[in-house]
Amino acid sequence: QKEVEQDPGPLSVPEGAIVSLNCTYSNSAFQYFMWYRQYSRKGPELLMYTYSSGNKEDGRFTAQVDKSSKYISLFIRDSQPSDSATYLCAMTASYDKVIFGPGTSLSVIP
Amino acid sequence: DGGITQSPKYLFRKEGQNVTLSCEQNLNHDAMYWYRQDPGQGLRLIYYSQIVNDFQKGDIAEGYSVSREKKESFPLTVTSAQKNPTAFYLCASSPYLTAGYGYTFGSGTRLTVV
Repeated sequence: QKEVEQDPGPLSVPEGAIVSLNCTYSNSAFQYFMWYRQYSRKGPELLMYTYSSGNKEDGRFTAQVDKSSKYISLFIRDSQPSDSATYLCAMTASYDKVIFGPGTSLSVIP
Repeated sequence: DGGITQSPKYLFRKEGQNVTLSCEQNLNHDAMYWYRQDPGQGLRLIYYSQIVNDFQKGDIAEGYSVSREKKESFPLTVTSAQKNPTAFYLCASSPYLTAGYGYTFGSGTRLTVV
């Protein structure tokens, strides 16, 4: 079993839809959880990070962590064509090594 | 503007050749990282460095080497011992002991074996 699993998609939604992106993980020691957005042929950029369980909101983006289920989610409200990218979840138990999911490819259709 | 600069953007390597990928940051970050990205796989850690003149192997260090002589620079050499080097290489940085708060990534170097 991989440490971090993520549905690769591709996921295609109409503009304005609510998007739900998810990751599951196996290591209960993970405490820091991150979401990155990666446009084609570019480096990932950090969208959000959360510590431990709970929700965090930033504009149209909401990150949720459920440590009891080992499950994290990223919700995108009012999705825009500019949100079309690959979304990577990432997590770490310590300060020096981060584990990344394989990414979910999202297309928002105008 | 502060950030990470990776060069070149595209690199072609012949069989048996060593090549060096450049990574420079002006963020004053202590820690720097090299990741490899292949289609359908998560980013895999090659090497990382928390401070100058010190670095550790990641999960897939075989066939790669690094140096950290300056805080700003963390070049990666892909040696001829790396059997399947074609991939997208990403350099990242973070302040010391804050990896959980996220990395800043460069734009990547795409390496192709010809």
